Amino acid sequence: DGGITQSPKYLFRKEGQNVTLSCEQNLNHDAMYWYRQDPGQGLRLIYYSQIVNDFQKGDIAEGYSVSREKKESFPLTVTSAQKNPTAFYLCASSLGFNQPQHFGDGTRLSIL
Amino acid sequence: AQSVTQLGSHVSVSEGALVLLRCNYSSSVPPYLFWYVQYPNQGLQLLLKYTSAATLVKGINGFEAEFKKSETSFHLTKPSAHMSDAAEYFCAVSDQGNTGNQFYFGTGTSLTVIP
Repeated sequence: DGGITQSPKYLFRKEGQNVTLSCEQNLNHDAMYWYRQDPGQGLRLIYYSQIVNDFQKGDIAEGYSVSREKKESFPLTVTSAQKNPTAFYLCASSLGFNQPQHFGDGTRLSIL
Repeated sequence: AQSVTQLGSHVSVSEGALVLLRCNYSSSVPPYLFWYVQYPNQGLQLLLKYTSAATLVKGINGFEAEFKKSETSFHLTKPSAHMSDAAEYFCAVSDQGNTGNQFYFGTGTSLTVIP
């Protein structure tokens, strides 16, 4: 079955540590996205990528980094510069803009 | 830039009652509109989408939404609520922004179904 796989489901970060969240899709979608979800705030866009080797900052990119070396993969690194990383992180993909986004099941990041 | 407003962060209905979740968008040009549902600790699942065809859009699980240009609204309805409908619902808009197409989500409405 085609879909989006996010791993791990739960992740803990220590102070000063960078952590990487994995997102893999086998839907052959060109566009991929990372969102952060906090209670009562809906989804906020961190980064998005329309094609391989290209990505754009979203509304809250500070403290985060991404890469898009393969069409199927769009990993998100939460750096130590992100002072409030505790949140639910969602990865999505779509055939293109104006097309529905398909979501993974999320990674919940917490601070130790 | 677009904005999406979902009126009512929490809605409670009795089982079997009508479900109405409200969504308004800000653009004067009809955008692409979507409704998603999210169950606890899961990602979002597409319920339905409006892409400038019929103004009444039918989705999965008995949900439908009506696009009203004059009201810039895209409210989600279901005639009879079921316990399994309890979830978070998000309205989303795709629009042409200054840097290309953008996707905007509302802040969500949590639906509680009372037995």
